[in-house]
Amino acid sequence: RKEVEQDPGPFNVPEGATVAFNCTYSNSASQSFFWYRQDCRKEPKLLMSVYSSGNEDGRFTAQLNRASQYISLLIRDSKLSDSATYLCVVNQGNQGGKLIFGQGTELSVKP
Amino acid sequence: GAVVSQHPSWVICKSGTSVKIECRSLDFQATTMFWYRQFPKQSLMLMATSNEGSKATYEQGVEKDKFLINHASLTLSTLTVTSAHPEDSSFYICSAQQGATSPQHFGDGTRLSIL
Repeated sequence: RKEVEQDPGPFNVPEGATVAFNCTYSNSASQSFFWYRQDCRKEPKLLMSVYSSGNEDGRFTAQLNRASQYISLLIRDSKLSDSATYLCVVNQGNQGGKLIFGQGTELSVKP
Repeated sequence: GAVVSQHPSWVICKSGTSVKIECRSLDFQATTMFWYRQFPKQSLMLMATSNEGSKATYEQGVEKDKFLINHASLTLSTLTVTSAHPEDSSFYICSAQQGATSPQHFGDGTRLSIL
């Protein structure tokens, strides 16, 4: 089993749609959680950290369920500029800050 | 804030050349820097973890004599690909981190093409 698993994608959605990404992690001792986005041929950029209480940043909402070892990202009112690959990332905390990346879920928002 | 600069952004060179890539954290001190490689359509693969003033920790399968890492200060790490060959062509990305549970901030990446 992979340490971090994401929906395989790709997701093709129209502008304005709401889209949800799911992610599970295998190590229950994991300490911090993030969503990154990566545009084609570019470096990953931090989208948001994920907290147990859930957190929202504009159109983006992230949720963490430690009991289920499950992380989600919800994008509301999707824009063309949201098209990218979304990476679920976990920091296990006991490996000197090493991040474990999911394989990414590609999102394509169409007009 | 949290800006990481990577240089150069694009390198094309002949087989057998050694290539040096710099990674700088511009507005914070990074306790740890990481070097990744990414092939097309694949996820990032961690190559090594670098702490200032100590030897880098390499992931399994990564040749330490091939990929030399120097972490001279809390704001600068370098990766040297020695005697590069076409199979070393890839997208190399560094990241910097302030604390062990903090997010990593990535440099722009270096696209390396070996002819």
